[in-house]
Amino acid sequence: NAGVTQTPKFQVLKTGQSMTLQCAQDMNHEYMSWYRQDPGMGLRLIHYSVGAGITDQGEVPNGYNVSRSTTEDFPLRLLSAAPSQTSVYFCASSTRDSGTGELFFGEGSRLTVL
Amino acid sequence: DQQVKQNSPSLSVQEGRISILNCDYTNSMFDYFLWYKKYPAEGPTFLISISSIKDKNEDGRFTVFLNKSAKHLSLHIVPSQPGDSAVYFCAASKGEGYQKVTFGIGTKLQVIP
Repeated sequence: NAGVTQTPKFQVLKTGQSMTLQCAQDMNHEYMSWYRQDPGMGLRLIHYSVGAGITDQGEVPNGYNVSRSTTEDFPLRLLSAAPSQTSVYFCASSTRDSGTGELFFGEGSRLTVL
Repeated sequence: DQQVKQNSPSLSVQEGRISILNCDYTNSMFDYFLWYKKYPAEGPTFLISISSIKDKNEDGRFTVFLNKSAKHLSLHIVPSQPGDSAVYFCAASKGEGYQKVTFGIGTKLQVIP
């Protein structure tokens, strides 16, 4: 039972490079989202999706792109990495059917931008 | 502007005693509240949630209390166990947490054996 899978777990980039953080869930959840965690800031919402083909911005969307072509996948793209994007990124999924409103998180992707 | 505030960055409690983690919110539109636990190098995991139509929800050793007039909620863990040592995040949303969830900065709980 995989749940939410994120790859890669660790990545080092140079300023200006681009990359994609992958997220996949096997629970058929309609909702998916990306958060970043920074010291003293908690978890902040970057982008979210309520279903395939539908995405919207969260609290800190600048510098990130997302797309949702399938229910299972929700990749996060950094177009031109900046040191301010050094963070731990978490993907999460959820479903209206849970009854608890809980988010299911992946294990995280630690990104360092030099 | 922090809409969900956890003012205690850390808390130490003896094993077997009660742990009380506090959370305040400023957005009166929030109507669903959740607590998550996070161990190092892992993703957060859901603990317990409460709707604004209730003032208490209990699940085993974990109880969440909601005081809407004070915009305050608390998580009680009784009895506390060493395995409860983790960072606890308070979170809030408009609706049942499916979409946009706002998190606090977390409180690190240490349960001393």
